[in-house]
Amino acid sequence: AQSVTQLGSHVSVSEGALVLLRCNYSSSVPPYLFWYVQYPNQGLQLLLKYTTGATLVKGINGFEAEFKKSETSFHLTKPSAHMSDAAEYFCAVSEAGGYNKLIFGAGTRLAVHP
Amino acid sequence: DADVTQTPRNRITKTGKRIMLECSQTKGHDRMYWYRQDPGLGLRLIYYSFDVKDINKGEISDGYSVSRQAQAKFSLSLESAIPNQTALYFCATSDPTEISTDTQYFGPGTRLTVL
Repeated sequence: AQSVTQLGSHVSVSEGALVLLRCNYSSSVPPYLFWYVQYPNQGLQLLLKYTTGATLVKGINGFEAEFKKSETSFHLTKPSAHMSDAAEYFCAVSEAGGYNKLIFGAGTRLAVHP
Repeated sequence: DADVTQTPRNRITKTGKRIMLECSQTKGHDRMYWYRQDPGLGLRLIYYSFDVKDINKGEISDGYSVSRQAQAKFSLSLESAIPNQTALYFCATSDPTEISTDTQYFGPGTRLTVL
């Protein structure tokens, strides 16, 4: 069975600081990995995803994530936080070539302060 | 206009009432999903449908039922609502034939409160 663990339900950074949101997954088959963002009172929006190929994936709004198979991790980073990045972030996994069922982590709420 | 819409956006109801949440999409996708979001638990899959004739239970289907009326419409029903079904409900769609496979597109959510 697949699972996702997001370390830290709340992360707080200063504007301009590095953002690092951690995600570890468990999967017995090659995974597809996703990061979604949820702004207040909105649905989820895809930030980036890894399916195959290059392990460093770039997404929208300056975010990127690196798939590390040996560490079963897919951490999300952004070099310089902006106030508009304040949101909840979800890591998710699905089976490569499978039935497209996403398994979500519990989420990490990012706060950005001046 | 939004590609995935959900109605109502907010609903307060009482224990024992029957509730229907509706989802419509203009993306032309065959696959549709219903999730519920609870604080600290992320999103959990309730039901999913790969086409009009295909309905499958997710990990938390007890107490829920669905209807896929057309490719564009997927409704979630709570036959007899209970307080622990208070949550934020999301509909999503996907198209496995897209080059960007497995991407799900989410609606804005329905906040349901069961008193």
